[in-house]
This record gives sequence, structure tokens and C-alpha cells, in this order.
Amino acid sequence: GENVEQHPSTLSVQEGDSAVIKCTYSDSASNYFPWYKQELGKRPQLIIDIRSNVGEKKDQRIAVTLNKTAKHFSLHITETQPEDSAVYFCAASDNAGNMLTFGGGTRLMVKP
Amino acid sequence: GAVVSQHPSWVICKSGTSVKIECRSLDFQATTMFWYRQFPKQSLMLMATSNEGSKATYEQGVEKDKFLINHASLTLSTLTVTSAHPEDSSFYICSARDRVIAEAFFGQGTRLTVV
Repeated sequence: GENVEQHPSTLSVQEGDSAVIKCTYSDSASNYFPWYKQELGKRPQLIIDIRSNVGEKKDQRIAVTLNKTAKHFSLHITETQPEDSAVYFCAASDNAGNMLTFGGGTRLMVKP
Repeated sequence: GAVVSQHPSWVICKSGTSVKIECRSLDFQATTMFWYRQFPKQSLMLMATSNEGSKATYEQGVEKDKFLINHASLTLSTLTVTSAHPEDSSFYICSARDRVIAEAFFGQGTRLTVV
């Protein structure tokens, strides 16, 4: 089955700096890669996703890149703000509506 | 649109009792629902896939007799934790797949505490 590794497990940045979180996956059949933001005690919130026919996708301060050959994808957050502080999870699936395999999570702390 | 309601949002029960968690798709039909479990400070792990009108498919290491799943309609799946023990304390989250647009959406989760 699929295995998703996520790094780093914790990340502390100064407000205004950029944050990068990286994930690798093992199953070449995976072609859907969402990123979730989870605040304490709440459901994961989809913030951006990318499909395998695209190498990069951007939504305001958030961008995701995908390298299918190397089987890795990354989340980039620019101009970080304190409200970006949360746990971020990457995931992989063979389809947007199918089961997700999650990475281990990254606790992002943005210091004001 | 695409609202998934999970109930209850939190529950405290005594060791040895059973707890039922409901996952409802409010504005779409879901032939498939996924049940995840998240222990404190850990990631989400798939427990089982629930299919309307048929038996659930459990992931390796998940006891089907302990975690009973019923998906009797296109809008409701239930997870019953039987004979709960403190180690079952966790955050349980469902995800429902819209049969039309083939995308899945999370419920708000259920915090189970077994004392």
C-alpha cells in the first residue's frame, strides 16, 4: 500500500518568512495530493490540492509543487502570519474521492 | 453544499460500554464513507471503508468485531465502538464520498474519551 513521509515534524518561522513542508510517497498509482490544515480539536481543512497532470498550483500565499518522477510534493506558504500556525498534513490517493494516506503531520508555529 | 455532519462531536463513556457515532451527508448521496482515527498528536489513519448496502472493508489491525460499521442508506454510516476501553480514546473522523462528483468531505469529528 501507499506510504507517505512528511518532513519536518515541527517548523518554527518568523512572521513574514516562508515555510516549506515536504512529502514523499511510494505508490506510483497515486495521482491526487491534498494538503490539510488542522487546528486543535477540529477536522482537517483542505487548503490546496494538486493532481498528477500538473506540476505546480498556487492560491494566493499557498503553493504546491509535485514531482511525479521523484514521488515528492511540497507545500509552500509565503508571508506567513500567526494565524497560519496549525498542524499541516499532506496526503495521497489514487483519486480525489478515495481513501487518503496521510503523512505524519507538521506543526507549524509562526512567531509574531 | 457538501456538508458532512458527524454526531456526537464529543462523548465520554465508561469502560466496557458501547458508543455509536453517526456520519451523515446532508446535501449529497454517499455510497462510500471512510472512517479515520487520530490519536493525540498523531496523524489520521484509515480504519475502514464503509459501502452502502454491503460489508465494510477494514484496514489491517482494525478489529471488525470491535468497530462495527453500518452503512444502511446513502446518507448515513455509523461506527459503533463496542466494549470501549481507555486505549480506544481518540478522535474519530468520517469522510463521505459524493457519488456524483466523486470527491470526499470530512465530518467534524468525534472526540471519544473512555474512562
